[in-house]
Amino acid sequence: EAGVAQSPRYKIIEKRQSVAFWCNPISGHATLYWYQQILGQGPKLLIQFQNNGVVDDSQLPKDRFSAERLKGVDSTLKIQPAKLEDSAVYLCASSLGYRSGANVLTFGAGSRLTVL
Amino acid sequence: KNQVEQSPQSLIILEGKNCTLQCNYTVSPFSNLRWYKQDTGRGPVSLTIMTFSENTKSNGRYTATLDADTKQSSLHITASQLSDSASYICVVSAYGTDSGAGSYQLTFGKGTKLSVIP
Repeated sequence: EAGVAQSPRYKIIEKRQSVAFWCNPISGHATLYWYQQILGQGPKLLIQFQNNGVVDDSQLPKDRFSAERLKGVDSTLKIQPAKLEDSAVYLCASSLGYRSGANVLTFGAGSRLTVL
Repeated sequence: KNQVEQSPQSLIILEGKNCTLQCNYTVSPFSNLRWYKQDTGRGPVSLTIMTFSENTKSNGRYTATLDADTKQSSLHITASQLSDSASYICVVSAYGTDSGAGSYQLTFGKGTKLSVIP
């Protein structure tokens, strides 16, 4: 089966600019996650969708980050304006659901953001 | 607060040798524990998932153990290969109610960076 697709793979911007990342999950996966992984750290959940609804966005810096999954399939994560500390890899993951304890997340390759 | 601590932070071993990575957690209520392998520039890939009742699970040369009493897990790699060079992340799932009517929340460790050298 096709994996989780993400683009772009790499992005370099200056602080205060904006950037958008796109994710297409595995077909049929209802749950979609965006994680931020800073170098040397484990992934940190930014937002979780179930179909086109938000399940958890408690750690999303809403003053600058936004995400949508309008049709319940692909998703976009936007940062505006970017700060230096936003430099990280943004990982998208999907799973069949989230109410099962055994749900397995499949991750995309990530989008590496460098803010200068 | 749910936490997952991994050790060592980094490890260098010779090709063909064995190694063991450690994971300690304070996550409640515990649902399961997963080990992921993350190659440089790639997303994490699941190696094993263990529930409370399982104390060992293998996936090829990877063997994970779980001691739910002491809240410790280990990942043992046998006969290491150059392709084992990666970060290994321990992830613990807990049942929570923060995200609506019951869901499972994942807590990630920072990972152990393993380098296998010829």
